[in-house]
Amino acid sequence: DTEVTQTPKHLVMGMTNKKSLKCEQHMGHRAMYWYKQKAKKPPELMFVYSYEKLSINESVPSRFSPECPNSSLLNLHLHALQPEDSALYLCASSQWGGIGNQPQHFGDGTRLSIL
Amino acid sequence: QQQVKQSPQSLIVQKGGISIINCAYENTAFDYFPWYQQFPGKGPALLIAIRPDVSEKKEGRFTISFNKSAKQFSLHIMDSQPGDSATYFCAARGSSGGSNYKLTFGKGTLLTVNP
Repeated sequence: DTEVTQTPKHLVMGMTNKKSLKCEQHMGHRAMYWYKQKAKKPPELMFVYSYEKLSINESVPSRFSPECPNSSLLNLHLHALQPEDSALYLCASSQWGGIGNQPQHFGDGTRLSIL
Repeated sequence: QQQVKQSPQSLIVQKGGISIINCAYENTAFDYFPWYQQFPGKGPALLIAIRPDVSEKKEGRFTISFNKSAKQFSLHIMDSQPGDSATYFCAARGSSGGSNYKLTFGKGTLLTVNP
């Protein structure tokens, strides 16, 4: 079992729907990440939060809207997605700062399908 | 531009054999090199990691060899088992400033261990 919990595990939505992905960790990590992973590809970084503030947006389209309500929770709000947005969405967390040895711990992802 | 080159794309090994996956990097600012293992339907799990001040790190059947001058590192899986069948990603990360958040992944190697 991973220590980063993502819900739901699967999500099917239409292009006009609004939905949210949720991620939770209780390891005391102060950095949280969203990644997108297409089949047979490595994860691609989307967003990074450090101390509940958005640190990095890797030029992600505005139809993806991240939110970090507190140090344990990370949400990804979805609106007006395109079929090419179908992918596995992974959340990860790590310690932040200092020497960059802090490993990132991944959840098992949400498998998103856009109809 | 891909900054971490991983080979081979796929690898088939007999049970009990040695699996070897290689990675090469270009950015000399990288100083943390993790390997992730990913099973179908799961998120990547940290397997083993190394810093460039050591040439080798071993954890059980898994060994990382690191050649700083050649900017190459490799994963060796001794006594490979069918349960090791998975996709393996090498990665690299810088340690200074904002770069200590971002993992640069290789493209992945699909390992199949035949019984």
